Amino acid sequence: EADIYQTPRYLVIGTGKKITLECSQTMGHDKMYWYQQDPGMELHLIHYSYGVNSTEKGDLSSESTVSRIRTEHFPLTLESARPSHTSQYLCASSWSGTSGNTIYFGEGSWLTVV
Amino acid sequence: GENVEQHPSTLSVQEGDSAVIKCTYSDSASNYFPWYKQELGKGPQLIIDIRSNVGEKKDQRIAVTLNKTAKHFSLHITETQPEDSAVYFCAASMDFGNEKLTFGTGTRLTIIP
Repeated sequence: EADIYQTPRYLVIGTGKKITLECSQTMGHDKMYWYQQDPGMELHLIHYSYGVNSTEKGDLSSESTVSRIRTEHFPLTLESARPSHTSQYLCASSWSGTSGNTIYFGEGSWLTVV
Repeated sequence: GENVEQHPSTLSVQEGDSAVIKCTYSDSASNYFPWYKQELGKGPQLIIDIRSNVGEKKDQRIAVTLNKTAKHFSLHITETQPEDSAVYFCAASMDFGNEKLTFGTGTRLTIIP
């Protein structure tokens, strides 16, 4: 079982509000990721981190930002939410090194912007 | 960059029958191919993976085959059970880290009791 936790699981907020999605993992993984997934659709990488103080943009452009001050914590922030940000956001983590290390996903945060 | 296509998008099979999901990839440098299962309201969970130095891997009722020449790989589920109903995603990546993991578009598998 993966030990990666996301909060909130479900959130409805108004346009223009600032929101932070929290993600924590207790496995000591150095690499962490944020994926965006529309219902029933493929996953798109929006941010990743190699370790503390490392953040990189993924393949899909996103207006969100991330930070990695602690190994276990990788929050995602939207400064001003818009309806186009409505989606599911999945946090994940893995060990670095050779390819093929398992990515462990959290349960996801469903964000609806009205 | 890498492009992964997955077929079919939906699949219904009778309980006890086999299910096959196929993926093709575009970048010949890819050498790691995991399969994820996503149940309703949950995050994806790895169920099996294969590297390019093997052609087939099996884990109980689940198997994955890889054809590097044709650049396609497949997931096989035998003796399907109702709990196999979920969305399945294939993915592919190159050798330098999971950040380059590219996912397919998913297959919604429904097992009919």
